[in-house]
Parts: sequence; structure tokens; C-alpha cells
Amino acid sequence: EAGVTQSPTHLIKTRGQQATLRCSPISGHTSVYWYQQALGLGLQFLLWYDEGEERNRGNFPPRFSGRQFPNYSSELNVNALELEDSALYLCASSLSGFSEQYFGPGTRLTVT
Amino acid sequence: KQEVTQIPAALSVPEGENLVLNCSFTDSAIYNLQWFRQDPGKGLTSLLLIQSSQREQTSGRLNASLDKSSGRSTLYIAASQPGDSATYLCAVIKSNAGGTSYGKLTFGQGTILTVHP
Repeated sequence: EAGVTQSPTHLIKTRGQQATLRCSPISGHTSVYWYQQALGLGLQFLLWYDEGEERNRGNFPPRFSGRQFPNYSSELNVNALELEDSALYLCASSLSGFSEQYFGPGTRLTVT
Repeated sequence: KQEVTQIPAALSVPEGENLVLNCSFTDSAIYNLQWFRQDPGKGLTSLLLIQSSQREQTSGRLNASLDKSSGRSTLYIAASQPGDSATYLCAVIKSNAGGTSYGKLTFGQGTILTVHP
């Protein structure tokens, strides 16, 4: 069974640009989560999507947004990139909001 | 606000030793608790999930316990091996008053484990 996949693996952007990160959940999983892991800040929850709807949002500014598609894949968009957005962005999926979360390999975003 | 603390921050042990990693959380209204390992620059691998109604879970050489009332969980690793070297993270999902999940995992800062031959 294929795990959670994320693309791209690495992304280099300039301050002020927009970044789009993509995630495909495990087959059969309807919930997708996004987390940010920045140096020194640990893992922080960004967004939770389930059945195409945003269910919960972490303490991040509105320039972090996303969506979930009918096939349950998801994308995370970060607008007006700032240097401190440089981090590993991890996507996870689960059968529901109550279930075990499985993580993808992450996208390393570097903002210069 | 839920806070998760892991002790110790780092641990270095010789191969073969049994070890215990500790996790504490401030809000006992949790839905479940997960233990993960993370290798440098990689994603997270789920090790064990304990539902709030359970006391422990076992998988191979790993055993995790949960004491909701005291806000503590421990991960026991038996007969450690160099391949166990990684960062170990615990995370909790909070439940709301209606018993449904907020979905988000709140993570501790992790314990960096080094097992040397």
C-alpha cells in the first residue's frame, strides 16, 4: 500500500513569491493535515481538511491557505513568502479526525 | 492550551540497553496519543497509538503506556540497537466537550536518542 506522498521534495523561492505544495493521502483516507517544522520551533499544526472542508486551522496568518480536492489530495499555498517560512512542511492523512495519522516525507521550502 | 513536554531532550546509550522516554501533557482531555520517530531531514514514522481509554500498547520491542489522570506517557524500548537512533516525538489529539476530535496533533519537542555500538 502506497504511503502519503508529497511534491516537490525541495522548493526554493524568493521573498514575496508564492509557493504551492502538494500532498496525496493514503488510499481510503479522507482527512489530510498540514504541519510546519521550522528550526527551533518544533512541529506546528497548520490545517486539517476532511471531505473537502477545512475543519481546523492553526495559529498561522491568512497567507497560509489550502484546499482539498474531490480525490482527497490537497495543496498548501503560501503567499507573500517571508524568510521565516523556510521550513519542512509535512502532510499527514488519516481515516478520520480521530484516527492514527500517517506522515509523508515532507517538502523542504527555502525562502531566500 | 495543551502543552506537551518530553524528557530527556537527548539520550545516549550503549547498544543492548533498555530505555524509557517520557512525555507529559497539561490537559488530560485527550482523544489519543501517538509516538513517532523522525530520522534527520525525514518525515515522521508512526510507532504506536494509544486511545484515551487504553493503558498501554505494544509493538515488537516497543511498549507505550498512558496515564491520562496524571498526564503522562512513557515509551519503553527494549534491547536498543544502533538503528533505533532517531528523534522520538510524542503527540496528543485533544477532544472537545462533545467528545469529537480537533484533529490536530500537539507535539512535544522530542527526545534525540543515540544508540552506540
